[in-house]
Amino acid sequence: QQQVKQSPQSLIVQKGGISIINCAYENTAFDYFPWYQQFPGKGPALLIAIRPDVSEKKEGRFTISFNKSAKQFSLHIMDSQPGDSATYFCAASVTSGTYKYIFGTGTRLKVLA
Amino acid sequence: DGGITQSPKYLFRKEGQNVTLSCEQNLNHDAMYWYRQDPGQGLRLIYYSQIVNDFQKGDIAEGYSVSREKKESFPLTVTSAQKNPTAFYLCASTFPGADLNTEAFFGQGTRLTVV
Repeated sequence: QQQVKQSPQSLIVQKGGISIINCAYENTAFDYFPWYQQFPGKGPALLIAIRPDVSEKKEGRFTISFNKSAKQFSLHIMDSQPGDSATYFCAASVTSGTYKYIFGTGTRLKVLA
Repeated sequence: DGGITQSPKYLFRKEGQNVTLSCEQNLNHDAMYWYRQDPGQGLRLIYYSQIVNDFQKGDIAEGYSVSREKKESFPLTVTSAQKNPTAFYLCASTFPGADLNTEAFFGQGTRLTVV
């Protein structure tokens, strides 16, 4: 119930293409769904986040789509660039009570020039 | 500037030796976390603490210990009982609350290698 399942494990996209990473969760108590970006040798940094009261959030080239009934959410990177090559983690959190972040297993994205 | 500082960046441990990884934050965050990351793997939770003098085991706590004597500090000790400690260790902090920014801030990590 605490798991967040992320796919694919790795992804190769041509420059200018769309990168799509998917996550699924089981615990309906989760109320915060962030995506983190990690470059090699660095700590992850927040990229974009969504709460379950909205179905989509867009920030620049990055969009989160959220399907509450299916308990799924995804990250879309439009016009993917070589600089987007990194590992992406989805996460889910309950923001009250017992507070813990659950991370997905990560997706290694490579954008070809 | 506010943030999380992990030290050292690289650490080498001999077999049977205990080592302590430092994590300090000046963000006034209540909750702090330790994660382990193996090559090509996701983040696995070792320990977390929501308030001073209290901490909880995560998914892979065996062979590790922590303390939380101050709000700003959450050191992790990798003991000799941890059979495979070579990994990248990440510390994070958050400010819990449904109405507050719940972003997790990460340090830059400590790469531990057993020699």
